[in-house]
Amino acid sequence: SQKIEQNSEALNIQEGKTATLTCNYTNYSPAYLQWYRQDPGRGPVFLLLIRENEKEKRKERLKVTFDTTLKQSLFHITASQPADSATYLCALPPVVGGGADGLTFGKGTHLIIQP
Amino acid sequence: DAGVIQSPRHEVTEMGQEVTLRCKPISGHNSLFWYRQTMMRGLELLIYFNNNVPIDDSGMPEDRFSAKMPNASFSTLKIQPSEPRDSAVYFCASSFSGYEQFFGPGTRLTVL
Repeated sequence: SQKIEQNSEALNIQEGKTATLTCNYTNYSPAYLQWYRQDPGRGPVFLLLIRENEKEKRKERLKVTFDTTLKQSLFHITASQPADSATYLCALPPVVGGGADGLTFGKGTHLIIQP
Repeated sequence: DAGVIQSPRHEVTEMGQEVTLRCKPISGHNSLFWYRQTMMRGLELLIYFNNNVPIDDSGMPEDRFSAKMPNASFSTLKIQPSEPRDSAVYFCASSFSGYEQFFGPGTRLTVL
């Protein structure tokens, strides 16, 4: 099975700076990788999906990279705001070349944007 | 759209009792997922359905857990008998033949 590692310690970033979160995985390289945001007491919310043949993907202030050689994805939030404070989860399909399957999630990184 | 609906939102029960969690997916979605979240283990996939058919239940902890999806608009996750180690937040999610999953608000289960 896939093992996913995210920085378990909280990440403190000053407002306006770029926040960078890391997701490392072992074993096989998945066909895609997803990022979700989770606020306290709520379910995760989908943010971005990046496929193995895509190096980078952007959505407004968010940018995700996917390096299948390093087995790593980076998640960037530019011009960070206090409202971006949340836990961010990385998720992968459970099998090689997985389609729309149940996901394996990392434990998430808690991001705190300080005013 | 109301989103994924889960009930109850909170459940407190005693060890040995039967617990039933309910989920109504987003209308038109054909995949449904049950996850469990704890501080120690994070978010774990328990089981998922495609077109009401269970596809992978390898994440179900043991025989005390069972899930059904009798139709496209309803699913249940049952624990019988419940144990204190089953205490967690249980999420239901749905998707439409795709990869983006929409999560419900979760059911916080406490087994005393």
